[in-house]
Amino acid sequence: ETGVTQTPRHLVMGMTNKKSLKCEQHLGHNAMYWYKQSAKKPLELMFVYNFKEQTENNSVPSRFSPECPNSSHLFLHLHTLQPEDSALYLCASSQATEGEKLFFGSGTQLSVL
Amino acid sequence: DAKTTQPTSMDCAEGRAANLPCNHSTISGNEYVYWYRQIHSQGPQYIIHGLKNNETNEMASLIITEDRKSSTLILPHATLRDTAVYYCIVRVADNYGQNFVFGPGTRLSVLP
Repeated sequence: ETGVTQTPRHLVMGMTNKKSLKCEQHLGHNAMYWYKQSAKKPLELMFVYNFKEQTENNSVPSRFSPECPNSSHLFLHLHTLQPEDSALYLCASSQATEGEKLFFGSGTQLSVL
Repeated sequence: DAKTTQPTSMDCAEGRAANLPCNHSTISGNEYVYWYRQIHSQGPQYIIHGLKNNETNEMASLIITEDRKSSTLILPHATLRDTAVYYCIVRVADNYGQNFVFGPGTRLSVLP
């Protein structure tokens, strides 16, 4: 256990569905992250929250919408996804200071049909 | 883009030391080198990190060259469960500030 919990572990959704991924950290960290990992590709950073404030990201499609209601919880709201959005979505947290480690959850394996 | 380069893949015999190299020639003086590994479809697992000095923990040792332009992760007695993709990371300044950017890593195969 890393102290970062993601739910659900697996998700299958149609292109017209709306779903949300949840992440919770019990480590007292002040930064949380969403990464996407497509098959056989490196992790791609999607969103970062520092002290609940999102750092703007211009390259993630608007069909992905993050929410960080407090420093322990992070959501990724999904709507009208495409099959190419099928991937492993990973949440992570850290202290936003130099030399601090990044802790990952187990990820949500998403399949869009 | 990641600030590190690693070999695409390596093999290691079970019970032998696995030495995984990493180049980070543009590293800045206050940037740490981190190592993570990822077993298929799981979240990356932290292994070790360091700034200037060599580091050792229960999982591995990290050797950083004096000029800090490269480092080596050493798994002293590799087991089959060490088969994974190993990522060497230096935090980079991008649109999000100072963050962890992952490259493709090294796929280590431990062979019986």
